[in-house]
Amino acid sequence: KAGVTQTPRYLIKTRGQQVTLSCSPISGHRSVSWYQQTPGQGLQFLFEYFSETQRNKGNFPGRFSGRQFSNSRSEMNVSTLELGDSALYLCASSLDRGRSEQYFGPGTRLTVT
Amino acid sequence: TQLLEQSPQFLSIQEGENLTVYCNSSSVFSSLQWYRQEPGEGPVLLVTVVTGGEVKKLKRLTFQFGDARKDSSLHITAAQPGDTGLYLCAGDDYQLIWGAGTKLIIKP
Repeated sequence: KAGVTQTPRYLIKTRGQQVTLSCSPISGHRSVSWYQQTPGQGLQFLFEYFSETQRNKGNFPGRFSGRQFSNSRSEMNVSTLELGDSALYLCASSLDRGRSEQYFGPGTRLTVT
Repeated sequence: TQLLEQSPQFLSIQEGENLTVYCNSSSVFSSLQWYRQEPGEGPVLLVTVVTGGEVKKLKRLTFQFGDARKDSSLHITAAQPGDTGLYLCAGDDYQLIWGAGTKLIIKP
C-alpha cells in the first residue's frame, strides 16, 4: 500500500505571496491532518479533515486554510506569507479519527524570503 | 491547556549505552503514541500504549505507560547509531496532544 505523499517537497516563496500544498493519504484513510513543524515550536496542529469536513482546528490565523476532496486528498493554503511561516508542513492520514494513529508524509519544506 | 512534557530535550550518548526518555502530563490520556522522526522525513509511528501499566517491547526499545495513564517512558537498550532521531509522544484526548520531542544522537 502506498504511503502518504506530499507535493511539492520543497518550496521557496516571498513575503506576501500565497502557497498551496497538496497531500494524498493512504488509500482507505478518511482523515487527514496538517501540522506545522519548526525548531522553536515543535509540531503544531493546524487542522483535521474527515469526509470533506473540517473537524478540528488548531490555534493558527485565518491565513491558514484547507480543504478535503471526495477522494480524501487534501490541500492547505497559506495566504499573505510571512517570514515566520517558514517551516516543514506535514500531512498525516489516519484510518478514522484524527486522534488515532497517524501516518505521516515526508513533508513540504517551505521557505519564505 | 493540556501539555505533554518530554525530557530530556536533547540527549547525546555513545553507541552501546542505555537510555530512558520521558513523556509526562498532568492529564489522563486514553492512549499514548510514540513516534520517531529522522531528519527531512515525517514522524513514523513506533507504538501505541493503551492500558495503564502496559509495557510493550520493540526489539531494543521498551515502552511503558504509567499506571494512571498520565505519563510514559521509552527505554533503549544498547543504543545504536540507527536510533538517532527525534522521539515524539502524543496523547489521545479528543484530539492528539503532542510533546516537543527528545532529540537523540547516538555516536559511533
